[in-house]
Amino acid sequence: RKEVEQDPGPFNVPEGATVAFNCTYSNSASQSFFWYRQDCRKEPKLLMSVYSSGNEDGRFTAQLNRASQYISLLIRDSKLSDSATYLCVPKKAAGNKLTFGGGTRVLVKP
Amino acid sequence: EAQVTQNPRYLITVTGKKLTVTCSQNMNHEYMSWYRQDPGLGLRQIYYSMNVEVTDKGDVPEGYKVSRKEKRNFPLILESPSPNQTSLYFCASSPGAGGNEQYFGPGTRLTVT
Repeated sequence: RKEVEQDPGPFNVPEGATVAFNCTYSNSASQSFFWYRQDCRKEPKLLMSVYSSGNEDGRFTAQLNRASQYISLLIRDSKLSDSATYLCVPKKAAGNKLTFGGGTRVLVKP
Repeated sequence: EAQVTQNPRYLITVTGKKLTVTCSQNMNHEYMSWYRQDPGLGLRQIYYSMNVEVTDKGDVPEGYKVSRKEKRNFPLILESPSPNQTSLYFCASSPGAGGNEQYFGPGTRLTVT
Protein backbone atom coordinates (compact mmCIF):
# COMPACT_ATOMS: atom_id res chain seq x y z
CA ARG A 1 0.00 0.00 0.00
CA LYS A 2 1.28 3.47 -0.85
CA GLU A 3 2.22 5.71 2.04
CA VAL A 4 -0.14 8.43 0.83
CA GLU A 5 -2.99 8.05 -1.67
CA GLN A 6 -5.30 10.56 -3.23
CA ASP A 7 -8.14 10.35 -5.73
CA PRO A 8 -6.65 12.06 -8.79
CA GLY A 9 -10.04 13.49 -9.85
CA PRO A 10 -10.84 15.74 -11.51
CA PHE A 11 -13.57 16.94 -9.23
CA ASN A 12 -15.76 19.20 -11.34
CA VAL A 13 -17.37 21.75 -9.06
CA PRO A 14 -19.90 24.49 -9.88
CA GLU A 15 -18.80 27.90 -8.71
CA GLY A 16 -20.18 28.53 -5.24
CA ALA A 17 -20.55 24.87 -4.36
CA THR A 18 -18.77 22.86 -1.69
CA VAL A 19 -16.27 20.16 -2.52
CA ALA A 20 -14.47 17.72 -0.28
CA PHE A 21 -11.84 15.12 -0.96
CA ASN A 22 -9.62 12.83 1.06
CA CYS A 23 -6.06 11.75 1.43
CA THR A 24 -5.48 8.32 2.94
CA TYR A 25 -2.27 7.36 4.66
CA SER A 26 -0.78 4.04 5.69
CA ASN A 27 1.43 4.99 8.63
CA SER A 28 -0.79 5.00 11.69
CA ALA A 29 1.87 6.96 13.59
CA SER A 30 1.39 10.03 11.37
CA GLN A 31 -0.10 12.79 13.45
CA SER A 32 0.20 15.92 11.36
CA PHE A 33 -0.14 16.74 7.70
CA PHE A 34 0.19 19.53 5.21
CA TRP A 35 -2.00 20.46 2.28
CA TYR A 36 -0.36 22.17 -0.70
CA ARG A 37 -2.05 23.58 -3.77
CA GLN A 38 -0.41 23.47 -7.15
CA ASP A 39 -1.57 25.41 -10.16
CA CYS A 40 -0.91 23.95 -13.59
CA ARG A 41 2.85 23.85 -14.30
CA LYS A 42 3.58 25.97 -11.24
CA GLU A 43 5.27 25.18 -7.97
CA PRO A 44 3.32 23.75 -5.02
CA LYS A 45 2.41 26.28 -2.35
CA LEU A 46 1.56 25.54 1.25
CA LEU A 47 -2.17 25.84 1.84
CA MET A 48 -2.53 24.74 5.43
CA SER A 49 -1.17 22.58 8.19
CA VAL A 50 -3.31 19.94 9.86
CA TYR A 51 -2.54 19.10 13.47
CA SER A 52 -4.52 16.93 15.89
CA SER A 53 -8.14 16.93 14.79
CA GLY A 54 -8.12 19.58 12.10
CA ASN A 55 -7.77 23.17 10.97
CA GLU A 56 -9.89 25.86 9.38
CA ASP A 57 -8.74 28.80 7.32
CA GLY A 58 -11.46 30.85 5.72
CA ARG A 59 -13.31 28.71 3.21
CA PHE A 60 -10.95 25.80 3.72
CA THR A 61 -11.40 23.16 6.40
CA ALA A 62 -9.10 20.22 6.94
CA GLN A 63 -9.91 17.33 9.23
CA LEU A 64 -7.92 14.35 10.40
CA ASN A 65 -9.65 11.03 10.95
CA ARG A 66 -7.17 8.87 12.80
CA ALA A 67 -9.43 5.85 13.09
CA SER A 68 -9.85 5.55 9.33
CA GLN A 69 -6.43 7.05 8.55
CA TYR A 70 -7.37 9.84 6.22
CA ILE A 71 -7.35 13.60 6.14
CA SER A 72 -9.94 15.56 4.27
CA LEU A 73 -10.00 18.99 2.70
CA LEU A 74 -13.28 20.81 2.27
CA ILE A 75 -13.65 23.95 0.20
CA ARG A 76 -16.79 26.00 0.72
CA ASP A 77 -18.18 28.58 -1.69
CA SER A 78 -15.77 27.48 -4.40
CA LYS A 79 -14.16 30.17 -6.52
CA LEU A 80 -12.82 29.82 -10.03
CA SER A 81 -9.39 30.54 -8.56
CA ASP A 82 -9.64 27.40 -6.42
CA SER A 83 -9.06 25.32 -9.54
CA ALA A 84 -5.79 23.55 -8.84
CA THR A 85 -4.29 20.26 -7.77
CA TYR A 86 -4.24 19.68 -4.04
CA LEU A 87 -1.39 17.64 -2.57
CA CYS A 88 -1.16 16.16 0.88
CA VAL A 89 2.00 15.14 2.71
CA PRO A 90 2.49 13.71 6.22
CA LYS A 91 4.72 15.62 8.59
CA LYS A 92 7.90 13.73 9.32
CA ALA A 93 10.55 13.92 11.98
CA ALA A 94 13.93 15.30 10.94
CA GLY A 95 15.97 12.94 8.82
CA ASN A 96 13.09 11.22 7.06
CA LYS A 97 12.11 11.24 3.42
CA LEU A 98 8.97 13.13 2.54
CA THR A 99 6.28 11.46 0.48
CA PHE A 100 3.65 13.50 -1.28
CA GLY A 101 0.33 12.16 -2.40
CA GLY A 102 -0.33 12.14 -6.13
CA GLY A 103 -2.71 15.05 -5.81
CA THR A 104 -6.41 15.68 -6.39
CA ARG A 105 -7.36 17.93 -9.25
CA VAL A 106 -10.24 20.32 -8.68
CA LEU A 107 -11.90 22.23 -11.51
CA VAL A 108 -14.31 24.97 -10.54
CA LYS A 109 -16.60 25.98 -13.38
CA PRO A 110 -18.88 28.97 -13.79
CA GLU B 1 11.68 39.18 -1.08
CA ALA B 2 11.88 35.72 0.49
CA GLN B 3 12.22 33.19 -2.28
CA VAL B 4 13.72 30.05 -3.71
CA THR B 5 15.31 30.49 -7.12
CA GLN B 6 16.24 27.86 -9.66
CA ASN B 7 18.28 28.11 -12.82
CA PRO B 8 17.84 27.41 -15.59
CA ARG B 9 14.06 27.37 -15.82
CA TYR B 10 14.10 25.43 -19.08
CA LEU B 11 16.80 23.21 -20.45
CA ILE B 12 17.05 20.92 -23.45
CA THR B 13 20.14 18.77 -23.55
CA VAL B 14 21.49 15.57 -25.02
CA THR B 15 22.15 12.22 -23.42
CA GLY B 16 25.39 12.08 -21.48
CA LYS B 17 26.14 15.79 -21.29
CA LYS B 18 26.70 16.72 -17.67
CA LEU B 19 24.50 19.45 -16.32
CA THR B 20 23.84 21.30 -13.08
CA VAL B 21 20.61 22.90 -11.95
CA THR B 22 21.21 25.52 -9.32
CA CYS B 23 18.96 26.23 -6.35
CA SER B 24 19.31 29.09 -3.93
CA GLN B 25 17.21 30.34 -1.02
CA ASN B 26 17.50 33.61 0.87
CA MET B 27 15.51 32.62 3.97
CA ASN B 28 18.35 31.03 5.94
CA HIS B 29 16.48 27.74 5.88
CA GLU B 30 18.13 24.63 7.26
CA TYR B 31 16.38 22.11 5.04
CA MET B 32 16.54 21.91 1.27
CA SER B 33 15.27 19.29 -1.11
CA TRP B 34 14.94 18.33 -4.75
CA TYR B 35 11.89 16.75 -6.34
CA ARG B 36 10.91 15.60 -9.76
CA GLN B 37 7.34 15.59 -10.96
CA ASP B 38 6.08 13.32 -13.69
CA PRO B 39 2.55 12.74 -15.00
CA GLY B 40 0.89 9.91 -13.12
CA LEU B 41 3.78 9.60 -10.66
CA GLY B 42 3.36 12.80 -8.70
CA LEU B 43 6.05 14.63 -6.79
CA ARG B 44 8.94 12.39 -5.80
CA GLN B 45 11.84 13.34 -3.59
CA ILE B 46 15.31 12.92 -5.10
CA TYR B 47 17.65 14.15 -2.37
CA TYR B 48 17.35 16.29 0.71
CA SER B 49 19.69 18.11 3.04
CA MET B 50 19.07 18.92 6.67
CA ASN B 51 22.02 21.27 6.90
CA VAL B 52 25.39 22.15 5.42
CA GLU B 53 27.37 19.03 4.46
CA VAL B 54 24.43 16.80 5.40
CA THR B 55 22.59 15.18 2.50
CA ASP B 56 20.48 12.07 2.17
CA LYS B 57 18.69 10.09 -0.49
CA GLY B 58 15.02 10.45 -1.21
CA ASP B 59 12.90 7.98 -3.12
CA VAL B 60 14.52 8.37 -6.54
CA PRO B 61 18.21 9.32 -6.14
CA GLU B 62 19.66 7.19 -8.97
CA GLY B 63 21.39 9.26 -11.62
CA TYR B 64 21.59 12.40 -9.49
CA LYS B 65 24.11 14.02 -7.18
CA VAL B 66 23.80 16.94 -4.82
CA SER B 67 26.04 18.98 -2.59
CA ARG B 68 25.42 21.40 0.27
CA LYS B 69 28.55 23.43 0.80
CA GLU B 70 26.69 26.56 1.79
CA LYS B 71 23.41 26.93 3.58
CA ARG B 72 21.75 28.90 0.82
CA ASN B 73 22.70 26.71 -2.18
CA PHE B 74 21.75 23.16 -3.09
CA PRO B 75 22.69 22.31 -6.68
CA LEU B 76 21.39 19.22 -8.46
CA ILE B 77 23.93 17.51 -10.69
CA LEU B 78 23.20 15.07 -13.49
CA GLU B 79 26.54 13.54 -14.40
CA SER B 80 25.25 11.66 -17.44
CA PRO B 81 21.66 12.60 -18.19
CA SER B 82 19.39 10.08 -19.86
CA PRO B 83 15.97 10.52 -21.51
CA ASN B 84 14.21 9.02 -18.47
CA GLN B 85 15.38 12.05 -16.51
CA THR B 86 13.21 14.29 -18.65
CA SER B 87 10.96 15.85 -16.04
CA LEU B 88 9.87 18.93 -14.13
CA TYR B 89 12.22 19.54 -11.22
CA PHE B 90 11.47 21.52 -8.09
CA CYS B 91 13.80 22.68 -5.38
CA ALA B 92 12.33 23.46 -1.96
CA SER B 93 13.50 24.78 1.37
CA SER B 94 12.09 24.68 4.88
CA PRO B 95 13.00 26.42 8.13
CA GLY B 96 13.04 23.23 10.17
CA ALA B 97 15.36 20.27 9.81
CA GLY B 98 12.37 18.02 9.19
CA GLY B 99 11.52 19.62 5.89
CA ASN B 100 7.95 20.39 6.71
CA GLU B 101 6.20 23.57 5.53
CA GLN B 102 8.26 23.83 2.40
CA TYR B 103 8.76 26.73 0.05
CA PHE B 104 9.22 25.68 -3.54
CA GLY B 105 11.19 27.21 -6.36
CA PRO B 106 9.48 27.91 -9.71
CA GLY B 107 10.64 24.67 -11.29
CA THR B 108 13.04 23.62 -14.02
CA ARG B 109 11.70 21.82 -17.05
CA LEU B 110 14.39 19.50 -18.33
CA THR B 111 14.29 17.61 -21.61
CA VAL B 112 16.98 15.05 -22.39
CA THR B 113 17.07 13.86 -26.00
